[in-house]
Amino acid sequence: AQSVTQPDIHITVSEGASLELRCNYSYGATPYLFWYVQSPGQGLQLLLKYFSGDTLVQGIKGFEAEFKRSQSSFNLRKPSVHWSDAAEYFCAAGGANNLFFGTGTRLTVIP
Amino acid sequence: SQTIHQWPATLVQPVGSPLSLECTVEGTSNPNLYWYRQAAGRGLQLLFYSVGIGQISSEVPQNLSASRPQDRQFILSSKKLLLSDSGFYLCAWSEITRSEQYFGPGTRLTVT
Repeated sequence: AQSVTQPDIHITVSEGASLELRCNYSYGATPYLFWYVQSPGQGLQLLLKYFSGDTLVQGIKGFEAEFKRSQSSFNLRKPSVHWSDAAEYFCAAGGANNLFFGTGTRLTVIP
Repeated sequence: SQTIHQWPATLVQPVGSPLSLECTVEGTSNPNLYWYRQAAGRGLQLLFYSVGIGQISSEVPQNLSASRPQDRQFILSSKKLLLSDSGFYLCAWSEITRSEQYFGPGTRLTVT
């Protein structure tokens, strides 16, 4: 079955610390992979995407993600978190017309 | 550039009342359109998607329906709301040949 797992429901980091959000997928082939961010009461904003090629992709707001085929993972990273990064983050995988979303990881940033 | 609009932003409706949520996209033609529901503390559940006018695919059987009367307009409806229909409804679009989806601001629906 196709699915996306985000094992961490809630993560708290200090401002300035590094961040890694985990994402694992189950899919028949190598899917397209995405990370989205959602602020409270808002829609989802696309942070970055992976289709093929270089397994380390850069996104907006200083985020990056690394695709690891052997681990079926697409973890999101940021070297130094800002207070404005506090939000919910969703990983998604799939193809045309059928994106599967994880249940999200809520990020809290403490001063 | 492309923009996606949803309205209303918030809605409080009694059980048994009808529902109509509207989504429009600007700046693109023949997009794929999607309706998702996001319940509190959960991920996104795909409800409907459309690849063209009048073409609707339903992912989850329920008392909701969708229509696409125009190329860039997508409507989510219900004849009689249930308490379980409460949630945050998100509309999204994608280019027909690409997978990344772009989301609207959402509608918060509370059924009382």
